[in-house]
Amino acid sequence: SQQGEEDPQALSIQEGENATMNCSYKTSINNLQWYRQNSGRGLVHLILIRSNEREKHSGRLRVTLDTSKKSSSLLITASRAADTASYFCAQNSGGSNYKLTFGKGTLLTVNP
Amino acid sequence: GAGVSQSPSNKVTEKGKDVELRCDPISGHTALYWYRQRLGQGLEFLIYFQGNSAPDKSGLPSDRFSAERTGESVSTLTIQRTQQEDSAVYLCASSLDGGRGADTQYFGPGTRLTVL
Repeated sequence: SQQGEEDPQALSIQEGENATMNCSYKTSINNLQWYRQNSGRGLVHLILIRSNEREKHSGRLRVTLDTSKKSSSLLITASRAADTASYFCAQNSGGSNYKLTFGKGTLLTVNP
Repeated sequence: GAGVSQSPSNKVTEKGKDVELRCDPISGHTALYWYRQRLGQGLEFLIYFQGNSAPDKSGLPSDRFSAERTGESVSTLTIQRTQQEDSAVYLCASSLDGGRGADTQYFGPGTRLTVL
């Protein structure tokens, strides 16, 4: 079964606004990754945060990780219409350092 | 350089027929993964290949599913006696070396399988 769950399931904002998506998981992780999926470019890796890290930045993306709450958030600042996509979190857990468990995703729509 | 490629991009088949899906990983990537994505859902892990090691088949949903990989190159996912519930997008990914820790997986565009 899917371990991670993204929240909200769908989010609609105006261009220029910030978008925040959350991900919860159930068991301890080695790392957590965020991916973006749209029809034009398929599934693209955005950022990876390890279990001993609390925050990472990449351009307009900011990811936080709270292992005590078993949750992560993805913040996209100054959103653009091109950010419209589904965003997935994926956990790497247990003894496997390759197996990813994906959530169902958040569908983000950025209106021009 | 070239990314992960998959063929066909779309496949429509009749229930009970066998299908074969192909994945060409990024050159030099030793790890290869297959996932399934049903409509509106996240990705489900199916199988993992790492070099010449025995594959991790723990995600294959039934014995109708099988996959092969020749060395560190092309992989094929075969679904025998397809059922309607097999309809999904099948995604392939590769990474430089999945066995050495956190490794970015690069995904192909997927094959959309429709079983009528």
